[in-house]
Amino acid sequence: DGGITQSPKYLFRKEGQNVTLSCEQNLNHDAMYWYRQDPGQGLRLIYYSQIVNDFQKGDIAEGYSVSREKKESFPLTVTSAQKNPTAFYLCASDQRNNEQFFGPGTRLTVL
Amino acid sequence: GQNIDQPTEMTATEGAIVQINCTYQTSGFNGLFWYQQHAGEAPTFLSYNVLDGLEEKGRFSSFLSRSKGYSYLLLKELQMKDSASYLCAVRPITGNQFYFGTGTSLTVIP
Repeated sequence: DGGITQSPKYLFRKEGQNVTLSCEQNLNHDAMYWYRQDPGQGLRLIYYSQIVNDFQKGDIAEGYSVSREKKESFPLTVTSAQKNPTAFYLCASDQRNNEQFFGPGTRLTVL
Repeated sequence: GQNIDQPTEMTATEGAIVQINCTYQTSGFNGLFWYQQHAGEAPTFLSYNVLDGLEEKGRFSSFLSRSKGYSYLLLKELQMKDSASYLCAVRPITGNQFYFGTGTSLTVIP
């Protein structure tokens, strides 16, 4: 079955630590995205990538970094520079002009 | 952003019909999408409109008026499992982003 996987589902981090969230897709989609969702709020775009080895900042990129070395993978690193990282993180992918497909999400909690 | 507005909350009765509105402002437009999101889960795609008019998919229909910057999602024969957040999203012509509204939290009551 084609789809998007994210791991882990739940992640706990101590303040000051970097952490990397995994996102893999086997849909052969060119574009991949990372969103952040806070309670009662919509999706806010962190980073997106339209092709391998290229990515652009979204609306809230500060404190985050990404890489796109393979078409299937788009990991997100939450750095210690992100002051309020506790949130639900969603990865998505699409083929241009079509709907986005979402992974199951990772809930990050900073202790 | 694309100034996407949706009501924050709605309540409707099981078996009834509910209409969730979405207005948007964008300089160029390449499609309007509706997603359903249950609490703690990922959004799932419901419908897509790029031309004016009504798209029907079983109990769900979506309408678009490009000249008015307006869309609605119509849910018929409401079931308890329809309690969820409904997200309106716009894809502009330029760039490759989606812009999401903050979502409408729908509660279906017996």
